[in-house]
This record gives sequence, C-alpha cells and structure tokens, in this order.
Amino acid sequence: GGIITQTPKFLIGQEGQKLTLKCQQNFNHDTMYWYRQDSGKGLRLIYYSITENDLQKGDLSEGYDASREKKSSFSLTVTSAQKNEMAVFLCASSMDWGYEQYFGPGTRLTVL
Amino acid sequence: AQKVTQTQTSISVMEKTTVTMDCVYETQDSSYFLFWYKQTASGEIVFLIRQDSYKKENATVGHYSLNFQKPKSSIGLIITATQIEDSAVYFCAMRANNTGNYKYVFGAGTRLKVIA
Repeated sequence: GGIITQTPKFLIGQEGQKLTLKCQQNFNHDTMYWYRQDSGKGLRLIYYSITENDLQKGDLSEGYDASREKKSSFSLTVTSAQKNEMAVFLCASSMDWGYEQYFGPGTRLTVL
Repeated sequence: AQKVTQTQTSISVMEKTTVTMDCVYETQDSSYFLFWYKQTASGEIVFLIRQDSYKKENATVGHYSLNFQKPKSSIGLIITATQIEDSAVYFCAMRANNTGNYKYVFGAGTRLKVIA
C-alpha cells in the first residue's frame, strides 16, 4: 500500500497573498491531480500532471500555478488568495489507464 | 464533453436495509471507466468500486455492487445491509479510456444518512 500526504492541513492567508500547498505520494503513480472542493459541493479539477515536469490545466486553473519537480510530489500555488476561494484542496494520484484515484486528506484554506 | 449527474442530493435509510444511489453519465467515448467514491465526515475520500464499460457483468465488492445499464448511461451504486458507518457522501465519477485523456469527471455527490 501507499499513502498521500498533504501539507499543511490548515492554511490561513491574507487576501492577495501567494500561498503554496504541497502533496507527496509513495504509490509511485505517474499521474497526480489537484482538486478544489467548496463546502458541500463536488470536486473541480485545477491542475494535473501525467509525469515529472508535466503540467496540464483543468477546468479551474485560473488563479493557480502548479509544479511537479519530482514524480512523488506535486505542489499547488494560489497566486493571489481571494476570499471566495476558501475551500478544501485535495490531491490525488493514479496509475495509467482507467485506474482509480487515491486521495490525500486535504488542505483547508481560509482567507482573511 | 463528459458529464456526470447525481440527481439525489440526500437519502435517509434505516440500518440493515438496501439503498440504491443513482448516477447518469454522458460521454462520446465508446470505452470508459466508472467509479464510486465515499467521502466520510472527516473529509477522507475512499475508492469503493469500479465498472469498465466493456464488461457486461456488474462489479461487486463486499456489500457494494453496481447496476450498470449501458443503454441508459446509468451506473447505480447498491449498498446492501447498510450500517451506520455507511453514512457519508458518495460520488460517482468517470474517465474515458482513450489516449491522452487522464481527466476524471465527478458528479455533485449524494449524501447518505443511515438511521439506527
């Protein structure tokens, strides 16, 4: 088995601040994902990466940057935090070809 | 474009009964994968079960099973002998089986409450 860890668990920032969320997986999965989940809602894809140094935009990429410098890690940066993007950010990984995703515990973002 | 729709926002059932959660999907792809995930009150998301579109047999894992009706683009999740700890939000998701498509599309979720 493996595990996905996300740091920090809680992130508090000021409006307009640049904030970075980190994700690590030891499944040795090629593909990693960042999702945003607003309270009581479903998952929306922000960025994904199919291999080291690859980045692909999802449906919600505006206002975010991502980085995949190693196969095991995937970072997400909120470029200018806004109060309307307070949410839980979930990292996931999967093998190729239709396999299920495994999710991390999430980072809860609060913007003051 | 792909789309996944879960019309049931919330369901309540008595413990030890059977519940079915609905999911309808849209896709242009001839081959695809369908998944169900469970999100507990703590926020943890866990993979439950998967159906490959080319398989006619409904998938079954423990007390979870699927009702796959391909002509209706429907993939229902059936939980038998429900337990209190099955209370959670259940998400349906799909992914196309074609080169270069790594995206999963999720439904909005169905909240299940199991009552003792």
